[in-house]
This record gives sequence, C-alpha cells and structure tokens, in this order.
Amino acid sequence: GQNIDQPTEMTATEGAIVQINCTYQTSGFNGLFWYQQHAGEAPTFLSYNVLDGLEEKGRFSSFLSRSKGYSYLLLKELQMKDSASYLCAVSRPGAGSYQLTFGKGTKLSVIP
Amino acid sequence: ETGVTQTPRHLVMGMTNKKSLKCEQHLGHNAMYWYKQSAKKPLELMFVYSLEERVENNSVPSRFSPECPNSSHLFLHLHTLQPEDSALYLCASSPTHHNEKLFFGSGTQLSVL
Repeated sequence: GQNIDQPTEMTATEGAIVQINCTYQTSGFNGLFWYQQHAGEAPTFLSYNVLDGLEEKGRFSSFLSRSKGYSYLLLKELQMKDSASYLCAVSRPGAGSYQLTFGKGTKLSVIP
Repeated sequence: ETGVTQTPRHLVMGMTNKKSLKCEQHLGHNAMYWYKQSAKKPLELMFVYSLEERVENNSVPSRFSPECPNSSHLFLHLHTLQPEDSALYLCASSPTHHNEKLFFGSGTQLSVL
C-alpha cells in the first residue's frame, strides 16, 4: 500500500519559522508536491521536488531526500494568512497516468 | 481564482436522488480529475480523463458515474448514494495527465441524508 505521513496539526508564532515534515513509502516515485489549502477553498500548488535537495521560492522552501523517503516544507517569516492545511503528495505511475497520492495534511495555525 | 469552476458549491441529497456535479476549466488543459476529500482522510483520486478519454478509475463504486464531453467540462453523476459518500468533491485540471501540477476547483460539499 501507499503510506504518506505528516503531522496532523502544528502551531507557530507570527514572524517565526516552521518546518512541516513528510515521510513516504510508495510503490513508485516520480516527484513530490506540496499544496496549500485554506479552509473552504481549493488546494493551490506550492512546490515540486524531483531531485534531492532544497528548492527555495520566496518565504517557502521545500526539501527532498529520495533515499530517505523524506521531505519538508519550510515557511519563514510566518504571517497570519499562512494559517492553512499543507498537503504533501507523491507523484507515482498509475495504470494509465501519473497519480498523486496525498497525505492527510497538516493544519498550521499561526498565532500572534 | 484558479481557472477551475465547480457547481454547485453545496449539495444536500437523499439516498434515492440523482444529481450531477459540474466542473469547467478555462485554462486550455487536456486532463481533468475528480478527487474526494473526507474529514480526517487524505485526498483520494477517483477518475482521470485525458482528451475526453478516461485513463484512470480508482475502483470507484458504480453509483459515481463520470462524464467528460470535451476537454473543458467534466461531470460527476450521482445516484443511490450512501451517507458515507458525504464529502468534499474536488475537480482539478492539468496541461497533460503526465505528472504536472494540478489546478483545483473550490469543490462541492456534498451531504447525503
């Protein structure tokens, strides 16, 4: 089966840094996505890692280690609007297409 | 605004009803998807369409019937649903069905009574 683990909830302070971890065990791996989902809204794309290492994009960075089955999303200079769920998803081959297998998501609460 | 529009936003139906969910994308993408999001469970892929042809069916019960008349529109026809089918149903699109980032709609929150 496919297994993607991430913490259920996290709380962090405005202006701080937070790291959201994701570990995965899947049959097949093509890359790893992070999505952000505010309550009642559509998930939106944050980052995509296919090679080992760190990808930086403004206040958000994402890291991947394929050999360890591990990724993290790093959010710097936290703002109140960053309160949302963060979804880790692994892209892997399916029967007819590449499929995204999602974790349950990490609900991040940013407090003043 | 993601370029993917879903209607209705909310739907309440009885177990004997027949209803349809609609999705439209304005991005010129060739692939469209249906996902189910239940409370405390991961997003689950239901169906994948590429150029109006179904390329994935993830063992979804036949009471869910997808339809893709063209690459911009996707429907999910619902009949004789169960209360456990209550969930948020999300539509998404991508340029192709090969490993590209998805653009999601805001979803239809479905309650089955």
